[in-house]
Amino acid sequence: DTAVSQTPKYLVTQMGNDKSIKCEQNLGHDTMYWYKQDSKKFLKIMFSYNNKELIINETVPNRFSPKSPDKAHLNLHINSLELGDSAVYFCASSPGTGFYGYTFGSGTRLTVV
Amino acid sequence: SQQGEEDPQALSIQEGENATMNCSYKTSINNLQWYRQNSGRGLVHLILIRSNEREKHSGRLRVTLDTSKKSSSLLITASRAADTASYFCAPMEYGNKLVFGAGTILRVKS
Repeated sequence: DTAVSQTPKYLVTQMGNDKSIKCEQNLGHDTMYWYKQDSKKFLKIMFSYNNKELIINETVPNRFSPKSPDKAHLNLHINSLELGDSAVYFCASSPGTGFYGYTFGSGTRLTVV
Repeated sequence: SQQGEEDPQALSIQEGENATMNCSYKTSINNLQWYRQNSGRGLVHLILIRSNEREKHSGRLRVTLDTSKKSSSLLITASRAADTASYFCAPMEYGNKLVFGAGTILRVKS
């Protein structure tokens, strides 16, 4: 069983479209995250939820909206996609906040054309 | 916000040699973590060192932390071809935000 699973793995879409990426964890963790990895491999945190409550909301365009229906799921919806949104998006989870390592999903490669 | 900055950006060694990667950060932290990323895959957590610890071991990995110099190092001993990957340090800022740098690309030649 995959601990943190993301779907889809690859997403190719046109500029201006709206798309969603889904993430689910079966580890019983309380905290989930979205990270964006750019072409230079630099990872930036976007959002974090703890028990369905938003606790980290970095400076990202408001076209990006996370949703956590329950603590095992954290989805990312992106409106009006732009070329600069092309990147690999990683979901991660941890047992809580603080002194825990994160478990990452395998990533969603988003390409906007 | 701060990020871990790894040095060197890339490292190429022969199998059996040791690999050392360094990381510097800017502000106070409550812990620092190291991760590995194989090409096209997600990140894998390797080790966490708390701000009141100076050294930690896990198998062939040894991590040091010097909070006075705001730096950390990751040593991989007796490297193997399977260790070929990118390695990231991630300082955790107070406020529980884990911030990553761009990583060190390690290539182990067999």
